[in-house]
Amino acid sequence: SQTIHQWPATLVQPVGSPLSLECTVEGTSNPNLYWYRQAAGRGLQLLFYSVGIGQISSEVPQNLSASRPQDRQFILSSKKLLLSDSGFYLCAWEGGQNSPLHFGNGTRLTVT
Amino acid sequence: GDSVTQMEGPVTLSEEAFLTINCTYTATGYPSLFWYVQYPGEGLQLLLKATKADDKGSNKGFEATYRKETTSFHLEKGSVQVSDSAVYFCATGGYQKVTFGIGTKLQVIP
Repeated sequence: SQTIHQWPATLVQPVGSPLSLECTVEGTSNPNLYWYRQAAGRGLQLLFYSVGIGQISSEVPQNLSASRPQDRQFILSSKKLLLSDSGFYLCAWEGGQNSPLHFGNGTRLTVT
Repeated sequence: GDSVTQMEGPVTLSEEAFLTINCTYTATGYPSLFWYVQYPGEGLQLLLKATKADDKGSNKGFEATYRKETTSFHLEKGSVQVSDSAVYFCATGGYQKVTFGIGTKLQVIP
């Protein structure tokens, strides 16, 4: 069966520090991969999605970036965090047309 | 682009009450429709889905019917439990581009 792992679960980082969140999927090949951010009262905001290795689409201009170095690995990064980067970050994968998204358990990021 | 409208809540109900959470959408073509549930501190889980008009998705006592004529996908449950307390997201679309509603927080009190 397919599983998705996301870590760390919680993270507290100072303003200006770098960020690296990792997401890996098991049990499927060539999935579409997604990073979402959930801020209080604002629903889910799509940040990046990827349809293959090295292929990244950015939905929102910001100081975050994403990379997909392997088929089932998706990384969210920042060189310098801002206070506004605080939120709940969710990774998800999708198997094909009309398939639902499968989410990881999320990372709670607090930038202080 | 696609959009999804749902009430933010919170919706507060007593245990065993009837639940309706409205969801309407705008989209090109005939997208798949989904309801996801998020329990506190967790990621989202698929609750149910429908892929074409008049389809009814159901799971764990929840139901929603794909209504093309009213572009709606309202979530219903006949008798809610305290354990149903969560945030519910309506979503439309599919491959590579899923659009979520803002999420409706449901609180069920004993």
